[in-house]
Amino acid sequence: GIQVEQSPPDLILQEGANSTLRCNFSDSVNNLQWFHQNPWGQLINLFYIPSGTKQNGRLSATTVATERYSLLYISSSQTTDSGVYFCAVYEKLTFGTGTRLTIIP
Amino acid sequence: GAVVSQHPSRVICKSGTSVKIECRSLDFQATTMFWYRQFPKQSLMLMATSNEGSKATYEQGVEKDKFLINHASLTLSTLTVTSAHPEDSSFYICSALRQGTYEQYFGPGTRLTVT
Repeated sequence: GIQVEQSPPDLILQEGANSTLRCNFSDSVNNLQWFHQNPWGQLINLFYIPSGTKQNGRLSATTVATERYSLLYISSSQTTDSGVYFCAVYEKLTFGTGTRLTIIP
Repeated sequence: GAVVSQHPSRVICKSGTSVKIECRSLDFQATTMFWYRQFPKQSLMLMATSNEGSKATYEQGVEKDKFLINHASLTLSTLTVTSAHPEDSSFYICSALRQGTYEQYFGPGTRLTVT
């Protein structure tokens, strides 16, 4: 099956810093989503982005389908951005390994 | 829009008992719902795909007789963990696929502890 790898696995940043999270996948996909899992376990949809670039406030995402990767950018980090970020692919979502982001005040 | 609820949010049960978890799409119809399992500090693993009005499709390694899934309406799917054992303790999360889209929306999860 498809392999979905995310990097870095852990990231600790000062409040206000910018970050880039990466998602690599081993096969072509027609569905890719980014999620934020908050400390209570709730998964929050960030982007549905099988290709191209999207922006929503301080967050943006880019998927280069031909090169099999997607990037999530977080600018001006806030403590509420802390949690685990997952990318997932396919209609039956195969989740990546996740990036645990910790924002320090 | 696109709100999914799960009930209960937390359940503790004794070994050998059965537990039912409900997943509801509150403001949209979902012909397809999914059930995932997540162990501490790990990613989500798909257990089964639930289609309204038909049998669920289970992923390899998931016992269909242990994890009973029913998708009786376009807004409700249930997962019943039968004869639960401590190794079934986990965080169970459902999602609903919004009709006409590829986007899944997730419920808040159910933390099951079997003693």
